[in-house]
Amino acid sequence: ILNVEQSPQSLHVQEGDSTNFTCSFPSSNFYALHWYRWETAKSPEALFVMTLNGDEKKKGRISATLNTKEGYSYLYIKGSQPEDSATYLCALSSGGYQKVTFGTGTKLQVIP
Amino acid sequence: GAGVSQSPRYKVTKRGQDVALRCDPISGHVSLYWYRQALGQGPEFLTYFNYEAQQDKSGLPNDRFSAERPEGSISTLTIQRTEQRDSAMYRCASSLGPPSGGVSYNEQFFGPGTRLTVL
Repeated sequence: ILNVEQSPQSLHVQEGDSTNFTCSFPSSNFYALHWYRWETAKSPEALFVMTLNGDEKKKGRISATLNTKEGYSYLYIKGSQPEDSATYLCALSSGGYQKVTFGTGTKLQVIP
Repeated sequence: GAGVSQSPRYKVTKRGQDVALRCDPISGHVSLYWYRQALGQGPEFLTYFNYEAQQDKSGLPNDRFSAERPEGSISTLTIQRTEQRDSAMYRCASSLGPPSGGVSYNEQFFGPGTRLTVL
């Protein structure tokens, strides 16, 4: 069973603050690391897919980095806005590479 | 075009009944995935297809669960003799196709899910 861990489980930040959270995963048999944004009562929405060690991806104020050798990825949000409030899920593809294992998510609440 | 659709959106059934959940992927998407999601948790992989071929069903909890995609488009997840512990959100996702070239990975697009409640 793959262990994909996310920390913190939840956090509250003030509007305008920048924040980051972590996804940790086993580095063996790595294939790809995914980040999703999930608002309650909606479907998870893909943010990034990263496959190479050292990958950095950016979409607006959100960016992510990947370290496959040590088994972690960071998601950064610059200048958080209330609309960024959501659960951010990471997911690992490894071994049988289309099978995806999700973490339990980091729930972000941005306070206006 | 239209996104991934699932039906029904809500299903309430009595313990012991069979249920069939349908997923209609984005047109042209080769890969189709099924997940189960408990309240407050991330999706849990069940199975996936490339075209009509079921590639991996290691996530199906037991032999009461089965899935098919006979024509490589619409898929059905069937749960026989439902039990209360089967209650969850069942999500389907589709992607353009399998990863290619070792570095290209196609993102998955999720459907709205079917909320299954077994009484």
